[in-house]
Amino acid sequence: SQTIHQWPATLVQPVGSPLSLECTVEGTSNPNLYWYRQAAGRGLQLLFYSVGIGQISSEVPQNLSASRPQDRQFILSSKKLLLSDSGFYLCAWDPGSPEWYFGPGTRLTVL
Amino acid sequence: AQSVTQLDSQVPVFEEAPVELRCNYSSSVSVYLFWYVQYPNQGLQLLLKYLSGSTLVKGINGFEAEFNKSQTSFHLRKPSVHISDTAEYFCAVSVAGRGSQGNLIFGKGTKLSVKP
Repeated sequence: SQTIHQWPATLVQPVGSPLSLECTVEGTSNPNLYWYRQAAGRGLQLLFYSVGIGQISSEVPQNLSASRPQDRQFILSSKKLLLSDSGFYLCAWDPGSPEWYFGPGTRLTVL
Repeated sequence: AQSVTQLDSQVPVFEEAPVELRCNYSSSVSVYLFWYVQYPNQGLQLLLKYLSGSTLVKGINGFEAEFNKSQTSFHLRKPSVHISDTAEYFCAVSVAGRGSQGNLIFGKGTKLSVKP
């Protein structure tokens, strides 16, 4: 069966520090991968999605970036974090059908 | 463009009472509809989905939802809630047949609080 992992589970970072969040999927190949951010009172916001290695689409311009170095790995990064980057980051994947599966999430607090 | 409106940000209810969480969507084309549940500090879990066919959809944990095309609604219901149903519930929409990439739009969520 398919499993999606996110690392780390929680993270506290100072403003201006770099960020790297990792998402990996097991049990499938060539999945579509997504990064969502959930901020208080703002619902779920799609940040990036990827249909294959090296293919990234950005939905919202910001100081975050994403990369897909391997088929089942999706990385969310930032060179300098802002206070407004705090939130709950969710990775998701879909097998090409209209159904998404979500990872356990990473709670990011920027101080 | 598609959008989703969840009319209630918070819904308090007593245990064993019925509950309805409201969801309305806006789209000029056919859509697929979803309800997800999120327990504290966890990811989202699919409760149920409507793709086509019967407008009454049954999901996990005793939840069901009815697709009403004329009212562009997809309300979630449960006849008798438990304490364990306390969570945040998200309604989502995607354009039918367009492909999945970047195609899932969420509402802002409804926090269901079940009290003993």
